[in-house]
Parts: sequence; C-alpha cells; structure tokens
Amino acid sequence: EVQLLESGGGLVQPGGSLRLSCADSGFTFSTYAMSWVRQAPGKGLEWVSTIGGGGSRTYYADSVKGRFTISRDNSKNTLFLQMNSLRAEDTAVYYCAKGRGLLNAQWYYFDYWGQGTLVTVSS
Amino acid sequence: QSALTQPASVSGSPGQSITISCTGTSSDVGGYNYVSWYQQHPGKAPKLMIYEVSDRPSGISNRFSGSKSGNTASLTISGLQAEDEADYYCSSYTSSSTPVVFGGGTKLTVL
Repeated sequence: EVQLLESGGGLVQPGGSLRLSCADSGFTFSTYAMSWVRQAPGKGLEWVSTIGGGGSRTYYADSVKGRFTISRDNSKNTLFLQMNSLRAEDTAVYYCAKGRGLLNAQWYYFDYWGQGTLVTVSS
Repeated sequence: QSALTQPASVSGSPGQSITISCTGTSSDVGGYNYVSWYQQHPGKAPKLMIYEVSDRPSGISNRFSGSKSGNTASLTISGLQAEDEADYYCSSYTSSSTPVVFGGGTKLTVL
C-alpha cells in the first residue's frame, strides 16, 4: 500500500525558513517523480514543485522560484521541501504527491497524496 | 486568480448527471491532452479521478468521465450519488514557466 506522510509544518515568522519532509513507502520511490502541492485555507490547489526520480530534474512554480528548494533522499525514501524567505501568502497545507508514471512519465498527474502538513507564516 | 476557469458550484439530484467545465487557453488545455481531474472531500487529500483528458485510474467508477473540446475540458458524473458531493479541481500541463496549473475548484452539491 502506497503511503505518504508529511511532517515539518508549523508556525514561522515572515522571512523565516522551514523544511518539510515526506516519508514514503509501498512503492519503488526512486523510479517516480515526486511533487509538492499546496492549498491555502479555504482556497484551491496550487502546484509548487516537482523533482524527477533521480533527483537531477526539478521544476518550480514562479511564485516560489528562488525561495524554495525541492530535494530527495532515495536511500531513505524521503522527499523534502526547503522553504526560505517565507511570506504570509505561503500559508497553506502542503501536500506531497506521487507522479503517476514510471521513470518520470506523466509526472504532472498525482495519483497518491499525503494528508498534508500545515505551514502558517505570521508574526 | 487561477489559470483555469471552473464554475464555483454545481448541483444535481441523486441519479442525475452533471458536467463541470474547465476553460483554459491554447497554452494549456487546448495545447495538450494532459488534463486531469481531482476530487477532494472536506478535510481530506485530493484524489485523482481522471487523467489524460479521459482515462480513469484503476478503481475509479465509470460514472466519472472526461472530455475536451478546444480550450475547454469537462468532467461528467453520471448517476449522482451522495458520496460524490465534494470539491472538484481540473489541472493541466502548460507551456508557461509554471508547468502545472489548477482550476479554482467547483463545489458539487448533491441535493
């Protein structure tokens, strides 16, 4: 059974940093692209970032480019999101999600999601 | 403002069919067959219902179907059931610098 478990959310001041983690199991982690998608309170979904299975290919939304860094540790089946220079508009539940296709194919479809971790940016 | 436009709400009675539209541009919905739909119940994570415009993942009921015409994609749910009441989001690959975009979401109410 595929399981994705996010952690690392919390309250942080504007300008601060936070690192999210997503521990994954039930599939061959290194052969799938992984993504972060966020949802502000009461709002819709927003794609944030994707990383290829090997870790070398990364994609970012314009809204986080230069501030957020996605990475992965395939030896520990874990996905990360380093968030710097946080702003109030980054407040959201952050979901990690698995790409649908093997070997980075169909990375833009998300077939399994974690339950999310809440990040609140406020002074 | 979301990149893809969806109606804020739709409703239908049990057993009826409803359709949710998702309008984009030639840079996203109209330019690629990489449209997907997600269902989200309150307080829950989204669930992939349709990918590649009209394909269903294993385990998804055939009451859910997808289509596309020009810059508009559609999700149709037939034989509405109470459990279908949820928020629905469309998504598309795009040629812009942000390669994945979502619609603003549609709240489906089963009367």
